[in-house]
Amino acid sequence: GIQVEQSPPDLILQEGANSTLRCNFSDSVNNLQWFHQNPWGQLINLFYIPSGTKQNGRLSATTVATERYSLLYISSSQTTDSGVYFCAVVGGTSYGKLTFGQGTILTVHP
Amino acid sequence: DARVTQTPRHKVTEMGQEVTMRCQPILGHNTVFWYRQTMMQGLELLAYFRNRAPLDDSGMPKDRFSAEMPDATLATLKIQPSEPRDSAVYFCASGQRNEQFFGPGTRLTVL
Repeated sequence: GIQVEQSPPDLILQEGANSTLRCNFSDSVNNLQWFHQNPWGQLINLFYIPSGTKQNGRLSATTVATERYSLLYISSSQTTDSGVYFCAVVGGTSYGKLTFGQGTILTVHP
Repeated sequence: DARVTQTPRHKVTEMGQEVTMRCQPILGHNTVFWYRQTMMQGLELLAYFRNRAPLDDSGMPKDRFSAEMPDATLATLKIQPSEPRDSAVYFCASGQRNEQFFGPGTRLTVL
């Protein structure tokens, strides 16, 4: 099946700093989503982005499908950004099944 | 604000007991998924329904797990008998076309 690798595994920031999270995938995808799992365990949809670039406030994402990677940018980080960020993809032959990466644990200190 | 709902949010039970988890997908979504999250395995798919028909349940231990959609507003996941290794957070997700939206999860602890 498709493999999803996220980097870095852990990231510690001071409030106000910027960061870039990376997601590499091993095959073509029909769907790519970024999620934020907050400290209460809820999975929050950030972006549905199988290709192209999107922005939502301080967050933006870019997927280059031909090169099999996606980037999530967080600018002016806040303590509420802390949590785990997951990239998940649906491979070309996997109908709707999302395959998740192992996540990036982000900690933002005040 | 449409969202996926799940009940119960927390469940503590003893080994051997039956556990039933319920999910109400977002109205109008035609796909429903059950995922399980553990520290060791991360997030993994258990079962998948499209238009209420089960399409894939290869991720579930067949001897003890079962998933159904009695109607378009309800999906259930049952474990009978439950075992300590089933302790995990169980998420339901629904989708239309490709994007999936997750419920808050059921945190299951089997003693």
